[in-house]
Amino acid sequence: QLHLEESGGGVVQPGGSLRLSCVASDLSFSDYDMHWVRQAPGKGLEWVAFISKDGTKETYAAALKGRFNISRDNSKKTLYLEMTSLTTEDTSVFYCAREYGRWHDPWGQGTLVIVSS
Amino acid sequence: EIQMTQSPPSLSASVGDRVTISCQASQDINNYLNWYQQKPGRAPKLLIYDASNLEMGVSSRFSGRGSGTRFTFTISSLQPEDIATYYCQQYDHFPVTFGQGTRLEI
Repeated sequence: QLHLEESGGGVVQPGGSLRLSCVASDLSFSDYDMHWVRQAPGKGLEWVAFISKDGTKETYAAALKGRFNISRDNSKKTLYLEMTSLTTEDTSVFYCAREYGRWHDPWGQGTLVIVSS
Repeated sequence: EIQMTQSPPSLSASVGDRVTISCQASQDINNYLNWYQQKPGRAPKLLIYDASNLEMGVSSRFSGRGSGTRFTFTISSLQPEDIATYYCQQYDHFPVTFGQGTRLEI
């Protein structure tokens, strides 16, 4: 059973940058398309980005394109999310999730990003 | 962008009740409609995929139906452990979009 674990969250000042990681437990990581989804405190789920299994295709939420960059290193079984020009509106728990069919399963436990001065 | 309108935003019910949540898409999503359960402080968990398919290991008291733009999610007999927020999700087109969530209380 695939297990995903995010890391890299923390407190960052407005305008700052942060890189999140998501490590997969399964050697078959390279077989799966992957996503990032975020959730602001007390709010709903917001899809962030997608990357294809071989890393050749990326898609972003329109409002985030240009500031966020999704990437992966299949040799390390790791998914990344590079975030720049962060604002307080970006404060969220960030989840990585595997795409399976046309749904997300499983999800990682999430990593909290707090943008605050 | 496909808008997902989920209702009600919150719902109070009793143990044993039949509970139904609705989700309407702004356009036909070819049944690429999923339902997730999220408990406080936890990641979302897939319950139903492709509108009506029960994820392996998920209780059969959960079900989904619908097609086109209108979908429903039902808990046949509410249990205390079902207290959570439920989200619908469409993945017919990018961007993937979620409903606003339904907070279920007892």
